[in-house]
Amino acid sequence: DAKTTQPNSMESNEEEPVHLPCNHSTISGTDYIHWYRQLPSQGPEYVIHGLTSNVNNRMASLAIAEDRKSSTLILHRATLRDAAVYYCILRDGAAYGNKLVFGAGTILRVKS
Amino acid sequence: DTGVSQDPRHKITKRGQNVTFRCDPISEHNRLYWYRQTLGQGPEFLTYFQNEAQLEKSRLLSDRFSAERPKGSFSTLEIQRTEQGDSAMYLCASSLEVGSFGNTIYFGEGSWLTVV
Repeated sequence: DAKTTQPNSMESNEEEPVHLPCNHSTISGTDYIHWYRQLPSQGPEYVIHGLTSNVNNRMASLAIAEDRKSSTLILHRATLRDAAVYYCILRDGAAYGNKLVFGAGTILRVKS
Repeated sequence: DTGVSQDPRHKITKRGQNVTFRCDPISEHNRLYWYRQTLGQGPEFLTYFQNEAQLEKSRLLSDRFSAERPKGSFSTLEIQRTEQGDSAMYLCASSLEVGSFGNTIYFGEGSWLTVV
């Protein structure tokens, strides 16, 4: 499985935008970029995913570099409820049984 | 859509005892996954089922671990002769896989196991 690199932790102020980076220099052409987050004492929760183009949904935006070797998850206005571990995961869309392989993720702390 | 349901949510057991966890996936989801997570680490893949067939098992799944999904609906994960190192949160997840695509995988809230 292709690897991703994320900062161990980041801090943000409440109601400010947050940009969570992810590097994936060995990404293949069929790898989708998935983001999940895990709130304390809960299971991981899907946030967003994309292949080549930038994506928006009600939770966040995903900006994908033109060469696809990096991406950024954008939370437009962080709230205290966004404090969680955020995982950037590559998932091969062409592979059968393409499970999610989690790394350590980025711990996001939100200050009020 | 009631989400992925896991039972029990918490289990404390003595070393050497057997424990079983149950997972009810989202209705009509054909794929079911089991993960294990220890404090401060990301979830680690254990095994997955496509309908009732167990198609992949991680090396983490020792002989003491067994998972079943007899009718392609709910699944059980049994740990025999528990050890203190088995203490972790056991996560179940499910998805509807149609073709090959980045389909969303939905996780349950996990079952916490403490072995004393």
